[in-house]
Amino acid sequence: SQTIHQWPATLVQPVGSPLSLECTVEGTSNPNLYWYRQAAGRGLQLLFYSVGIGQISSEVPQNLSASRPQDRQFILSSKKLLLSDSGFYLCAWSVTGTGELFFGEGSRLTVL
Amino acid sequence: KNQVEQSPQSLIILEGKNCTLQCNYTVSPFSNLRWYKQDTGRGPVSLTIMTFSENTKSNGRYTATLDADTKQSSLHITASQLSDSASYICVVSPRGVSYGQNFVFGPGTRLSVLP
Repeated sequence: SQTIHQWPATLVQPVGSPLSLECTVEGTSNPNLYWYRQAAGRGLQLLFYSVGIGQISSEVPQNLSASRPQDRQFILSSKKLLLSDSGFYLCAWSVTGTGELFFGEGSRLTVL
Repeated sequence: KNQVEQSPQSLIILEGKNCTLQCNYTVSPFSNLRWYKQDTGRGPVSLTIMTFSENTKSNGRYTATLDADTKQSSLHITASQLSDSASYICVVSPRGVSYGQNFVFGPGTRLSVLP
C-alpha cells in the first residue's frame, strides 16, 4: 500500500535561518507531488507542485523553493525564513486519472 | 474563477446528535468532489469522493450528497461522536486543467462535538 512520510513534524526556527522540510512517498511510481500551506483557520494554499523529477511549478511568489531530486522525494526549502513563513505545511501526492489526493501528517513551522 | 465555499464556518453540537455541513462551488467544468476530515494538527484524510453521476455516497456514519445542477454538496454526520470533532474540507476538481490547479479547496467547517 502507498504511504507518505513528512518530517519534521514540528519546527521552531529564528528569523533568517534556513528551512528544509522533506516528504517521501512509498508504494507508487511517478506520483504528482504537492506542497501546501495552511494558515490558522484558513484553507489550503498551493505552494508548489511537481509532475516529475526536476520539474517544479510555483503557484505563489514567496520566500520558499522546492526540489524533487528523486521520483518519490519532495523537499521544501528556504534560505532565510520570515515571520510570515510560520504555518502548517502539508505534502501531498496524487496519481493522474485516479482523482484522489493523499496528504502527509503535516509540519508545524513557527518562526520567531 | 473556480471557488469553493463552505458553511457554517464552525458548528458545535452535542454527542449523539446529527449535523449537516454544506459546500457550494463554482468550479466548471466539474470532475469530482471530495470531503476530507482533518483532525487538529494532522493531515486531511479522505471521507468520500463523488463524480458527476453520483448523488449520494456513504462511509459509515458519514453520508455525502451531490447536486451537480445547483453545484451543491452536503456532508451529513449521523449520531455524532467526540472523535468527529475536526475540520471538514470540501475539495472540488475541475475537468481538463493542469495538475497544479486540479484541486480547489474550501476553507473548511470546524465541528466541535461536546459530551
